[in-house]
Amino acid sequence: QKEVEQNSGPLSVPEGAIASLNCTYSDRGSQSFFWYRQYSGKSPELIMFIYSNGDKEDGRFTAQLNKASQYVSLLIRDSQPSDSATYLCAVDSGGYQKVTFGTGTKLQVIP
Amino acid sequence: DTAVSQTPKYLVTQMGNDKSIKCEQNLGHDTMYWYKQDSKKFLKIMFSYNNKELIINETVPNRFSPKSPDKAHLNLHINSLELGDSAVYFCASSQNGEIGGYTFGSGTRLTVV
Repeated sequence: QKEVEQNSGPLSVPEGAIASLNCTYSDRGSQSFFWYRQYSGKSPELIMFIYSNGDKEDGRFTAQLNKASQYVSLLIRDSQPSDSATYLCAVDSGGYQKVTFGTGTKLQVIP
Repeated sequence: DTAVSQTPKYLVTQMGNDKSIKCEQNLGHDTMYWYKQDSKKFLKIMFSYNNKELIINETVPNRFSPKSPDKAHLNLHINSLELGDSAVYFCASSQNGEIGGYTFGSGTRLTVV
């Protein structure tokens, strides 16, 4: 069974620090990788996707992918209290875009 | 305009009842999904439709029956509701051939008492 694993947290970081969120996946055939942010009581919101090895930057967010090691990470620079949420890693193994989600990491940014 | 809309937002019902959740997307996406999110926040796919055709049907009790009258709509009907069905149900959509992830609806919080 294809699995996506994340540390459930909570991960606490002070405001202004870098938050590092990690995710590992079991299916070597996985092709696309996503990070969603979910505020409490809200729906998941896509913030980053990556499909090539290396780094992809978007504002304060950087997604990192290492297919050989089967991990993907999300770095949030200059963390803000508004970044406090659960971050879901999702992996697409192809086909009809069936995506498997991790259980999420809860991030708390302390003012 | 809401991209993926679900109704109702909250649903409280008794065990044994039958209920439906509706979903509509105005993004022109080809594929729609139903996901269940349990109390531990785990999102698990239930069904996926591509242009009205069922393509993913995970291990879900027969009491759950999706219906897609057209590619913009995907409804979920649940018969004989059980306590364990209590969860948040999310509808989502995506576009074939595009690497862009899903757009989720706002969710329906179902509570079975």
